[in-house]
Amino acid sequence: EDKVVQSPLSLVVHEGDTVTLNCSYEVTNFRSLLWYKQEKKAPTFLFMLTSSGIEKKSGRLSSILDKKELSSILNITATQTGDSAIYLCAVSNTGNQFYFGTGTSLTVIP
Amino acid sequence: NAGVTQTPKFQVLKTGQSMTLQCAQDMNHNSMYWYRQDPGMGLRLIYYSASEGTTDKGEVPNGYNVSRLNKREFSLRLESAAPSQTSVYFCASSENFWYEQYFGPGTRLTVT
Repeated sequence: EDKVVQSPLSLVVHEGDTVTLNCSYEVTNFRSLLWYKQEKKAPTFLFMLTSSGIEKKSGRLSSILDKKELSSILNITATQTGDSAIYLCAVSNTGNQFYFGTGTSLTVIP
Repeated sequence: NAGVTQTPKFQVLKTGQSMTLQCAQDMNHNSMYWYRQDPGMGLRLIYYSASEGTTDKGEVPNGYNVSRLNKREFSLRLESAAPSQTSVYFCASSENFWYEQYFGPGTRLTVT
């Protein structure tokens, strides 16, 4: 059964800390891995990764895919209270299916 | 641009009633999706339309039907609502199937 597992389930940090969120997957015929941020309502897109070892970066956020280990990490440096959200990982396959993990809930305390 | 819009925002149904959730996008995207989000379960794909004129089942299609009315619009129908269908429903669209998806604001559905 295809699945996506995220860890940790939740995390509480202080402003300025660096956090690493993990996503591992067991999905046949992998095509892409995507990270989303979900605050109060709809998820918003962060990164899409298709190639192993290439880091994607946007400001204080970065992500990398390891196809050998079937995993990805999302790093957030110098966290701010505005980073508090649920971070979702999703994986698509060539069979046109999308699988989301249950998310990591991040709380940043001032 | 409005992006992805969904109606209604909230709905309460009695068991056995039917309803249609509407979704529209103005980004000229080819692919559209319907998800449900339940506590502790994450987002689960119900149906998708990879391109205009096609629809396919996702992970949890039972109890639902969809219609890709045109390139802009993708509706989700519950023929006979059940309490297990109480959830938040999100519509999304993307330029092509495996690309980044843009989500609508969601519909909170309660079935009593």
